[in-house]
Amino acid sequence: SQTIHQWPATLVQPVGSPLSLECTVEGTSNPNLYWYRQAAGRGLQLLFYSVGIGQISSEVPQNLSASRPQDRQFILSSKKLLLSDSGFYLCAWSVSNTEAFFGQGTRLTVV
Amino acid sequence: GQNIDQPTEMTATEGAIVQINCTYQTSGFNGLFWYQQHAGEAPTFLSYNVLDGLEEKGRFSSFLSRSKGYSYLLLKELQMKDSASYLCVRNSGNTPLVFGKGTRLSVIA
Repeated sequence: SQTIHQWPATLVQPVGSPLSLECTVEGTSNPNLYWYRQAAGRGLQLLFYSVGIGQISSEVPQNLSASRPQDRQFILSSKKLLLSDSGFYLCAWSVSNTEAFFGQGTRLTVV
Repeated sequence: GQNIDQPTEMTATEGAIVQINCTYQTSGFNGLFWYQQHAGEAPTFLSYNVLDGLEEKGRFSSFLSRSKGYSYLLLKELQMKDSASYLCVRNSGNTPLVFGKGTRLSVIA
């Protein structure tokens, strides 16, 4: 069966520090991978999606970047965090545009 | 996102039935998802309708009318744990899923 792992679950980082959130998927090949962010009381905002290794599409220009070094690994990064980067970050995967399955999420607080 | 319209909030009583409606833009439509999201948690998949009609899964059912651009999620025998946001998401084919805020359902005793 397919599983998705996302870590860490919670993170508190100072302004200006770097960020690296990792997501891995097991049990499937060549998945579509996604990073979403959800601010408190808001809907999910699509940040990045990838249809293959090294292929990244950015939906919203901002202080973040994404990379896909391996087929089932998706990384969200920032060189210098801003206060506005605080939120709930969700990694998800899908195959052939079927339903998306989400990781547990990372609650990031930038202080 | 994707021209989806669903109520922002609903309140229903424990044990009752509630219907959450969703209307969407019909052009480029491939199917409709419903997700449940509890506060502070990731969304979980509930149902996917591609063809017209009603699909039942236990206490939850989802209905689709493609010609009308209309869907609903029906929750029966409501329980307190059903308090959550319910997200109607349109599948537009080769584009990633775009989620709105959904409908926040509060189940009261």
